[in-house]
Formats: sequence, structure tokens, C-alpha cells
Amino acid sequence: EDQVTQSPEALRLQEGESSSLNCSYTVSGLRGLFWYRQDPGKGPEFLFTLYSAGEEKEKERLKATLTKKESFLHITAPKPEDSATYLCAVLNSGNTPLVFGKGTRLSVIA
Amino acid sequence: ETGVTQSPTHLIKTRGQQVTLRCSSQSGHNTVSWYQQALGQGPQFIFQYYREEENGRGNFPPRFSGLQFPNYSSELNVNALELDDSALYLCASSRGGLAGGYNEQFFGPGTRLTVL
Repeated sequence: EDQVTQSPEALRLQEGESSSLNCSYTVSGLRGLFWYRQDPGKGPEFLFTLYSAGEEKEKERLKATLTKKESFLHITAPKPEDSATYLCAVLNSGNTPLVFGKGTRLSVIA
Repeated sequence: ETGVTQSPTHLIKTRGQQVTLRCSSQSGHNTVSWYQQALGQGPQFIFQYYREEENGRGNFPPRFSGLQFPNYSSELNVNALELDDSALYLCASSRGGLAGGYNEQFFGPGTRLTVL
């Protein structure tokens, strides 16, 4: 059974304090790994898709990386507006649906 | 470009009733997926529609059913509501592509369903 585990569950950072969020996954064959940001009361907002180990993608203060077992979302010099829940999801190469993790709730304090 | 919209925003039903939720996909998107998100959890995949055909289903009972229309908008129907059906229901649209209909999904704001 495909599994996605995100850690930590919650993270509190000072503005400018860089850190990383982790997404560990267990799938028989990875077809894609996705990162989303979700603000309270809103639907998730797409950030990145990663397809293969070694791949990296960047967007503003965010950088996503992928290995064969996990993905990291690095946040450099975060600002209060980066506060949100960050969700990771994986798609198996078989005919199984997208599986989301429970998310990491990030708070950035000014 | 119009984003994904969902209606209604909030809904309160009683156990045993039926409910229909609606979703308008983003312009140019032909794939719609529905998710259930309980409080403090990640979204859980219900099913996906591609060009009016069901294209994958998660671990949900048959009382969860759906429909996609020629304009690619979609409905989610839930019969015989149970208390555990209380959740945020999210609709997402996409163009499909390398990762099927899951790549670059654009989510709507969701419908908050409360079952009493």
C-alpha cells in the first residue's frame, strides 16, 4: 500500500530562519511527487511536480528536491506570508490514485 | 482565465439525506478530480473524470457517485449521508499530461459539508 509521511507535523520559524520539510514515501514505482500549499479555509495551491530522483525545482524562497525515498521542501529566509500547511502527494506508476500526506503546518513569526 | 469554482460554499444536512456538490473547472481543463479532506488530514482521492468518463476511483463506497458534463464541469453526489461524511470536499481540474490528470491540478475553495 502506498504511504506518504510528512514531518514535522508543525514547524514554527522566526522570519529569515531557513529550514526543510520532509516527505517520505513508499510506492512500488513513482510516477510523480507533488507539493502543494494550503491556506486555512482554502483549497491547495500547486507548487511543484518532481518525476525522478535528483530532480530539483525552485520558486521564490522554495526549493523542492527528490530522492528515491523522500522529498524535501527547503524554505530559505521565510517570511510571515509563507505560513501555511504544505502538502506532499505521490502518484504510483500503477493504476492507483494520488495519495496525500497529512501535511506540515508552518508558522513564520515576524 | 476563470479559476475553479465550487458551490455551495457551506452545507448542513442530516444523516440519511442526499447531497449534490458542483464544480466548474478552469478554462481549457478536461479533467476533474474530487477529494474529501477531514480536519487536520490531507485530501483523500474520491474519483476522477476525464472527458465525461470515470478515470479512477479511490476507496469510497458506491453511495459516492459523480458526473462530468460536456463543458467539463462536474457533480459529486453522496447518498445516505453519514456523520463521518462531514468534511471539506475539494474539486481540482487539470489538463492531464505526463502524470495523467494529477499534474498541475488547480483546486477550488471547497464545499464544507456538515452532517448532523
